[in-house]
Amino acid sequence: DAKTTQPTSMDCAEGRAANLPCNHSTISGNEYVYWYRQIHSQGPQYIIHGLKNNETNEMASLIITEDRKSSTLILPHATLRDTAVYYCIVNAGGTSYGKLTFGQGTILTVHP
Amino acid sequence: DGGITQSPKYLFRKEGQNVTLSCEQNLNHDAMYWYRQDPGQGLRLIYYSQIVNDFQKGDIAEGYSVSREKKESFPLTVTSAQKNPTAFYLCASSIGYSGNTIYFGEGSWLTVV
Repeated sequence: DAKTTQPTSMDCAEGRAANLPCNHSTISGNEYVYWYRQIHSQGPQYIIHGLKNNETNEMASLIITEDRKSSTLILPHATLRDTAVYYCIVNAGGTSYGKLTFGQGTILTVHP
Repeated sequence: DGGITQSPKYLFRKEGQNVTLSCEQNLNHDAMYWYRQDPGQGLRLIYYSQIVNDFQKGDIAEGYSVSREKKESFPLTVTSAQKNPTAFYLCASSIGYSGNTIYFGEGSWLTVV
């Protein structure tokens, strides 16, 4: 699986949009970009994933650049409960599936 | 509600004892997984199962055992052979093995005393 690079930490004011970047310059054509988040002492929560098109669901939006070498997770109106570690993962499925490489992630702190 | 249930949430074990962590899912998923997460670290795959009555070793299977007798259940036994068992254990599942989103349970904390 391709490696990802994320900033160590970010801050965001409550009610504002949180934009979390991720670099995955070695991504292969069949690899998806997944985002999860983890609050301390809880299991990771799936947020969103995409291949090449931008995606949106009830939690967030995912913007993938045209060359697919980077992406941005957008939480449109951050709340205090969005404070968590956010992980960007690329995964192709197949025999590598299940071997999710969770790096250090980005610690997002939402403040009042 | 549909989801993945792990129990117990917190478990203390004496050295030399085996302990079994329960994982049940009602999502009708075929594939199930066990991961270990150490403080400040990423996830490491212990075992995975693509289908009932079949399972495969992951990256760190030594000292662990699993069974998959029912589609909805995938218990993990941490044996006394596991040298450093204190960790956060996560069970997960997906519809199939290939190219599907993995969903996680809430985790179980195991502490060896």
